[in-house]
Amino acid sequence: QKEVEQNSGPLSVPEGAIASLNCTYSDRGSQSFFWYRQYSGKSPELIMFIYSNGDKEDGRFTAQLNKASQYVSLLIRDSQPSDSATYLCAVNLAGAGSYQLTFGKGTKLSVIP
Amino acid sequence: GAVVSQHPSWVICKSGTSVKIECRSLDFQATTMFWYRQFPKQSLMLMATSNEGSKATYEQGVEKDKFLINHASLTLSTLTVTSAHPEDSSFYICSASRTNEKLFFGSGTQLSVL
Repeated sequence: QKEVEQNSGPLSVPEGAIASLNCTYSDRGSQSFFWYRQYSGKSPELIMFIYSNGDKEDGRFTAQLNKASQYVSLLIRDSQPSDSATYLCAVNLAGAGSYQLTFGKGTKLSVIP
Repeated sequence: GAVVSQHPSWVICKSGTSVKIECRSLDFQATTMFWYRQFPKQSLMLMATSNEGSKATYEQGVEKDKFLINHASLTLSTLTVTSAHPEDSSFYICSASRTNEKLFFGSGTQLSVL
């Protein structure tokens, strides 16, 4: 059974600090990896996606992928109170063109002003 | 702006009634849409994959006769919760992909069955 694991948190960081969110997955055939942000009562919003090992940066966000360790992370630099939300890690097995995702339970992030 | 529209945002219904939720791709054609359910403090659980012009593919444990999916056009998929019961109360979310890279979500529907 495909599994995506995340620490449920809450993860509390002070404003301006770096928030580090981690995710592990069980299926070695996984091809695509996504980070979504979900505010309470709202639907998920795509933050980052990554396919290749290494780092991918977009503004204050950096996604890191290590397929050998089956590990993907999201770093948020200069954390802001508006970043407080639940962050969902999602994994796609079949790669680009197939959109079926398996989601982790999410990590709740709280940025303290 | 939003690329996937979902309606209604919330609905309250009596036990035993049916509820229809619509999911529209606004400026692109979506041959495949997905329906998820999310209980409080839980992750999104895929219920079914909706394919335009053919029958939906349901995940294990999801009753196809209870959760009716219709994907009659390339921009519209509907989920009907038939004979809803309080245990069906949940946050239902649809999604569709505009490109090979990104999956966009509708705004979600909070269903409360009394």
